[in-house]
Amino acid sequence: DGGITQSPKYLFRKEGQNVTLSCEQNLNHDAMYWYRQDPGQGLRLIYYSQIVNDFQKGDIAEGYSVSREKKESFPLTVTSAQKNPTAFYLCASSLMSDHTGELFFGEGSRLTVL
Amino acid sequence: KNQVEQSPQSLIILEGKNCTLQCNYTVSPFSNLRWYKQDTGRGPVSLTIMTFSENTKSNGRYTATLDADTKQSSLHITASQLSDSASYICVGTSGTYKYIFGTGTRLKVLA
Repeated sequence: DGGITQSPKYLFRKEGQNVTLSCEQNLNHDAMYWYRQDPGQGLRLIYYSQIVNDFQKGDIAEGYSVSREKKESFPLTVTSAQKNPTAFYLCASSLMSDHTGELFFGEGSRLTVL
Repeated sequence: KNQVEQSPQSLIILEGKNCTLQCNYTVSPFSNLRWYKQDTGRGPVSLTIMTFSENTKSNGRYTATLDADTKQSSLHITASQLSDSASYICVGTSGTYKYIFGTGTRLKVLA
């Protein structure tokens, strides 16, 4: 089945450690996105990429890094510089030729800093 | 400033009852507005999309409306089921790929 796979589902990190969240899609979508979701807030954009080897900062990029070496993959690294990394992280993708711009989401990764 | 506001924040209803969720949006340039359903601990799933020229669109027991003049949208759920318990997120699309998310309405359906 086509879709977006995020892993791990749950992740625990000690302060000062970097962690990488995986996002893979087999929808042949051009654009991929990382969002952060906190209770009582709307989804906030961390990074997005519209083409391989290119990505742009979103609204809250500080303390995060990404890469887009393959069309199917868009991993997110949460670095030790991120002051409050505990959150639910959602990866999404869209087809740029689809003018409606529907976002397809993965199942999310919940990161907890101990 | 682009923004999407949803009300109420949370809602509790009995199984079988109807309910309506509200979304006010300020999105420019406006492309479309979507409603997503998000089960707890899962990713959001699209329910319906509304463009500028559409007033009403149904998807099973879900009916969305859009008033482009007042910049308001609503999501009406008919004959609610326990499985409708979730957060419902209103998302405005500005241009082609700028998404503005509301904070969601958390719906709880009780037996």
